[in-house]
Amino acid sequence: EDKVVQSPLSLVVHEGDTVTLNCSYEVTNFRSLLWYKQEKKAPTFLFMLTSSGIEKKSGRLSSILDKKELFSILNITATQTGDSAVYLCAVELTSGTYKYIFGTGTRLKVLA
Amino acid sequence: DTEVTQTPKHLVMGMTNKKSLKCEQHMGHRAMYWYKQKAKKPPELMFVYSYEKLSINESVPSRFSPECPNSSLLNLHLHALQPEDSALYLCASSPRSGTGYSYEQYFGPGTRLTVT
Repeated sequence: EDKVVQSPLSLVVHEGDTVTLNCSYEVTNFRSLLWYKQEKKAPTFLFMLTSSGIEKKSGRLSSILDKKELFSILNITATQTGDSAVYLCAVELTSGTYKYIFGTGTRLKVLA
Repeated sequence: DTEVTQTPKHLVMGMTNKKSLKCEQHMGHRAMYWYKQKAKKPPELMFVYSYEKLSINESVPSRFSPECPNSSLLNLHLHALQPEDSALYLCASSPRSGTGYSYEQYFGPGTRLTVT
């Protein structure tokens, strides 16, 4: 059975801290891995990773994929209260039509 | 326009009602998705439409009936729902599906459904 697991489940940090969120997967027919941020309703797209070892970066956020060890990390440096959200990892599978399996999410709370 | 819209935002319905959720995008995307999300859980895939044809049905009960009347619209018809169907229903779209390239999904704000 295809599985995507995120850790930790929740995290509380103070502003200015650096956090690392983990996503591991066991799937057949891996296509890509995506990170989303979900605050109240719709998940918003952060990164899509298809190749190992190539870091994607956007401001204080960065992410990298390891296809050999089957995991990805999302780093957030100099955290701000606005980073408080649930961070979702999703794996895109190839099986004719592509579908996405979401991980359990990491709930991040950044305290002022 | 990089937006996926969903209506209504909130819906309360009885177990004998029939209602519909609507999703719309004007980005020219040819893959559209319905997800169900319970509180503090990740989204669960329900249906995938690719080029207006149903390509994935994740063993969803028949009281949920999807419809894709054209490439911009996706409906979810609801009938005889149960209280455990109460959840946030998210619609998403992506440019293509199954073409050999990877694309991110764009999500709508969701419809918060309560079944009484």
